Amino acid sequence: DTGVSQNPRHKITKRGQNVTFRCDPISEHNRLYWYRQTLGQGPEFLTYFQNEAQLEKSRLLSDRFSAERPKGSFSTLEIQRTEQGDSAMYLCASSPLGGVRNEQFFGPGTRLTVL
Amino acid sequence: RKEVEQDPGPFNVPEGATVAFNCTYSNSASQSFFWYRQDCRKEPKLLMSVYSSGNEDGRFTAQLNRASQYISLLIRDSKLSDSATYLCVVTGGGGADGLTFGKGTHLIIQP
Repeated sequence: DTGVSQNPRHKITKRGQNVTFRCDPISEHNRLYWYRQTLGQGPEFLTYFQNEAQLEKSRLLSDRFSAERPKGSFSTLEIQRTEQGDSAMYLCASSPLGGVRNEQFFGPGTRLTVL
Repeated sequence: RKEVEQDPGPFNVPEGATVAFNCTYSNSASQSFFWYRQDCRKEPKLLMSVYSSGNEDGRFTAQLNRASQYISLLIRDSKLSDSATYLCVVTGGGGADGLTFGKGTHLIIQP
């Protein structure tokens, strides 16, 4: 399978714990995006990378959220001191550099439940 | 005003019928437009890009009206497998920005 992959697929944690999610984009895609989706809503853009550079992070929901892409390949999204309101599906997407229309391809997501 | 607005439905449509969805967007600087399809508890999948001249892909036709800032999707000869949520999506003016999604329109095709 050469699509976007995400791990874990499901994460259950207790309030106050830190969690980290991983995304592996399509191999030739330079751009990587993180989104959050809650029930009944469309995905909400959080941040994006072009190679290892994080070019947009103002949409991250709070300073508890951070993302990295140290080598320009896979990326991690960390949530510190989780709250019940963080329960959602976290989606990763990638797109190729030079794609004029910015068509993005999504991974299967990580479903987070905060108890 | 929300950035992308869609009628959430649900639209209950008999198999074989034609169904149309519209959405409106608020950012006149939006550059690119898409329809994504999302099945229950799955990731969004790109259905089609939307071009100013309108475009067709099999049973699906998309139209863009920049002056009125609305996008439409027409599905002809609907199939049971078309049942899903259809997400209207625009990009900002930056080209490589994150996508802005509507809440989606829920479509149920009935046998």
